[in-house]
Amino acid sequence: AQKVTQAQTEISVVEKEDVTLDCVYETRDTTYYLFWYKQPPSGELVFLIRRNSFDEQNEISGRYSWNFQKSTSSFNFTITASQVVDSAVYFCALSEASTGGFKTIFGAGTRLFVKA
Amino acid sequence: GEEVAQTPKHLVRGEGQKAKLYCAPIKGHSYVFWYQQVLKNEFKFLISFQNENVFDETGMPKERFSAKCLPNSPCSLEIQATKLEDSAVYFCASSQSRPRDKNSPLHFGNGTRLTVT
Repeated sequence: AQKVTQAQTEISVVEKEDVTLDCVYETRDTTYYLFWYKQPPSGELVFLIRRNSFDEQNEISGRYSWNFQKSTSSFNFTITASQVVDSAVYFCALSEASTGGFKTIFGAGTRLFVKA
Repeated sequence: GEEVAQTPKHLVRGEGQKAKLYCAPIKGHSYVFWYQQVLKNEFKFLISFQNENVFDETGMPKERFSAKCLPNSPCSLEIQATKLEDSAVYFCASSQSRPRDKNSPLHFGNGTRLTVT
């Protein structure tokens, strides 16, 4: 069965600090897809990144970076030099190839507070 | 349209009443998904469609929930005889091709907040 664990319920940092959000997943599939979404206070869900299980390259996009470690089943998300606008709930998600990717399972989310 | 449009934004129903939520996927997107988010916590998958065909409905409480995606109409999620625990934000998402395709992330609507009193 697939499962996504985001152990950090809430994180509070001061602006300009770096922060890492943890995500650990479980799956029996050898091919699967991992995602991060951002949900700001306004409530919409914003897609941030998708990573396929067969692509272990880490990725950087501006202040955001993602570390995919298949050996530890983790897909952690780091925000460098955090800003107040980064305050949001961040969700890690997983879908399995055996479902055609049709069933995305979300973690419980990590609420990030960035204080000025 | 260029975004997933969900209506209404807010819906209030008395316990036992029917609730119907609508979702217009992005034009050209063949896949539609419904998720339930309770108290800003984790998302519960409800159902997925490929065009008008149900693909996976393992998350649906079938005794009261039903969903459709008919041609040339918005998709809908209907709850018969709502209960207090149905209070949640219901998100619809669409994707262009099979979600396993690399460039096909889920595009979410802004959600419908259902309050059952």
